[in-house]
Amino acid sequence: DTGVSQDPRHKITKRGQNVTFRCDPISEHNRLYWYRQTLGQGPEFLTYFQNEAQLEKSRLLSDRFSAERPKGSFSTLEIQRTEQGDSAMYLCASSLTSAELYNEQFFGPGTRLTVL
Amino acid sequence: AQKVTQAQTEISVVEKEDVTLDCVYETRDTTYYLFWYKQPPSGELVFLIRRNSFDEQNEISGRYSWNFQKSTSSFNFTITASQVVDSAVYFCALSDGHGANSKLTFGKGITLSVRP
Repeated sequence: DTGVSQDPRHKITKRGQNVTFRCDPISEHNRLYWYRQTLGQGPEFLTYFQNEAQLEKSRLLSDRFSAERPKGSFSTLEIQRTEQGDSAMYLCASSLTSAELYNEQFFGPGTRLTVL
Repeated sequence: AQKVTQAQTEISVVEKEDVTLDCVYETRDTTYYLFWYKQPPSGELVFLIRRNSFDEQNEISGRYSWNFQKSTSSFNFTITASQVVDSAVYFCALSDGHGANSKLTFGKGITLSVRP
């Protein structure tokens, strides 16, 4: 399978706990994105990386959220001190994009987080 | 700021009917990209089409066709002879085309139900 993969697919946690999600993009893709999707809504942009550099963070990404892409390959998204409002589907996408080349984003299956 | 409006929330049709999903967008960019994604019950977003702002040609792919009109800022999607497998949530999305940041702004999605 050469698509975007995410792990875990489902996570149930208690309020106040920390959680970490992993995303493995398509191997040659230089850009990696994180989105959040709540019930009945479209995905909302959280942050993105160009190789290992985090180039933009949305206002949705509070200081409890942190994302890394240490070697420009896989990425992790950590949420500290989870709140019930963090319950959502967390989607990862990757693309091969630069200032000169634009390509569509391919999405992974998502990690569904439930905070009790 | 970019915005995508999908005014229809739910559409129900009988198999073999044609159905059009509407999308209206707002952007101040002169270069931008429009997309449609399908999200079946399994949850994974599936890329359907990308259209750049300089190409207003309509496109047909099998039973799918897209109508892009800059004059009305619309990018509508028509499914001809719908099938039960077309049942899904369909998202229209917009991205600036500068390459510096290609994050997607999604609409809220249209839930399409195709009944046998």
